[in-house]
Amino acid sequence: DQQVKQNSPSLSVQEGRISILNCDYTNSMFDYFLWYKKYPAEGPTFLISISSIKDKNEDGRFTVFLNKSAKHLSLHIVPSQPGDSAVYFCAADNAGNMLTFGGGTRLMVKP
Amino acid sequence: ETGVTQSPTHLIKTRGQQVTLRCSSQSGHNTVSWYQQALGQGPQFIFQYYREEENGRGNFPPRFSGLQFPNYSSELNVNALELDDSALYLCASSSDRGSTGELFFGEGSRLTVL
Repeated sequence: DQQVKQNSPSLSVQEGRISILNCDYTNSMFDYFLWYKKYPAEGPTFLISISSIKDKNEDGRFTVFLNKSAKHLSLHIVPSQPGDSAVYFCAADNAGNMLTFGGGTRLMVKP
Repeated sequence: ETGVTQSPTHLIKTRGQQVTLRCSSQSGHNTVSWYQQALGQGPQFIFQYYREEENGRGNFPPRFSGLQFPNYSSELNVNALELDDSALYLCASSSDRGSTGELFFGEGSRLTVL
């Protein structure tokens, strides 16, 4: 039973364009959502988060949108850069930093 | 500021053996969590320790156990290793058990069970 799902295992985008990564969840008790980025041979690093009481959070080139009624969130990266190429994990929390992760989306940004 | 460090980085064990993985938390962090990441999947929560007590546990059997020490470093022990235990084991620290915030992950320990 996957409570957090990332249905696209990979995404390829041209440098300078928008990258949109999607995530769906089933547990309505989740109250905080996070995105992590992972490079090979490194641990995941925190990117951006959003509380369930908001529908949008922005940090520089990164924006996360939350649609609670659809149990869906998305990460927008504008403009995409080659250094953004990594695996992105969506994660959800309802119990104090005990995160439930999605399966990840591999983003490739082509120069 | 020292980040999260894990050891060993790679190890190979045979089925039925026991393994201990170690983690040193980021300076000032009192909460440590362990995650298992199988190949091609996202990390799965194993358990969390706060001030040397297990604070929460995911869907893992009792042969997965842990310890947190007074200096907030931590160990993950796995007994009676099975082939499916082959994975990257990630340690993450955070500054407070109850607050929701970012976790700081180490680079992981890659365990191969033959």
